[in-house]
Amino acid sequence: NAGVTQTPKFQVLKTGQSMTLQCAQDMNHNSMYWYRQDPGMGLRLIYYSASEGTTDKGEVPNGYNVSRLNKREFSLRLESAAPSQTSVYFCASTKDRDRGTEAFFGQGTRLTVV
Amino acid sequence: GNSVTQMEGPVTLSEEAFLTINCTYTATGYPSLFWYVQYPGEGLQLLLKATKADDKGSNKGFEATYRKETTSFHLEKGSVQVSDSAVYFCALSSGGSNYKLTFGKGTLLTVNP
Repeated sequence: NAGVTQTPKFQVLKTGQSMTLQCAQDMNHNSMYWYRQDPGMGLRLIYYSASEGTTDKGEVPNGYNVSRLNKREFSLRLESAAPSQTSVYFCASTKDRDRGTEAFFGQGTRLTVV
Repeated sequence: GNSVTQMEGPVTLSEEAFLTINCTYTATGYPSLFWYVQYPGEGLQLLLKATKADDKGSNKGFEATYRKETTSFHLEKGSVQVSDSAVYFCALSSGGSNYKLTFGKGTLLTVNP
């Protein structure tokens, strides 16, 4: 049972380069999320997709764009990478948006921008 | 808005020691409370949760009780093992159209043999 799969696991970019982080879930979940994790900051929400066909900004959306390609896939794009975007990125999904629902996370993408 | 404050780490314990990681929250309405655990090199996974006041979540020997009067959800384990070494995150969520999972900053636990 794969759960939430993210690619790539590691990436080094030069300032100004672009890239897309891929995320796919096989649990038939409706909602998907992108977080970034920085030391001493916990996880901060970048963007989310409440359901297929919708996307909304989270706490820290600047410098990112997202696409909910279909129910399974939710990608995160950095158009022009900056050193401040060096972080670990996690994709997550939930079955619904009930307050008690469990979030399932991918293994993360460690991105370094030099 | 919602916020979660958990004790600063790192926490270092010997095997079989008692563990407490404090967590307090600020929220409107009636949030659900969670503890997530992140083992080295992995994503977060749910450890336990509680959805209403006075509920106790438990799993793998860990426990936490939802205390509305003190707005707290402290994580405890009576006897930690080396395999419990990980980062622990307290989190809360409110549901519906305003659904959002808000995390604390995380507490690194290291258990030595």
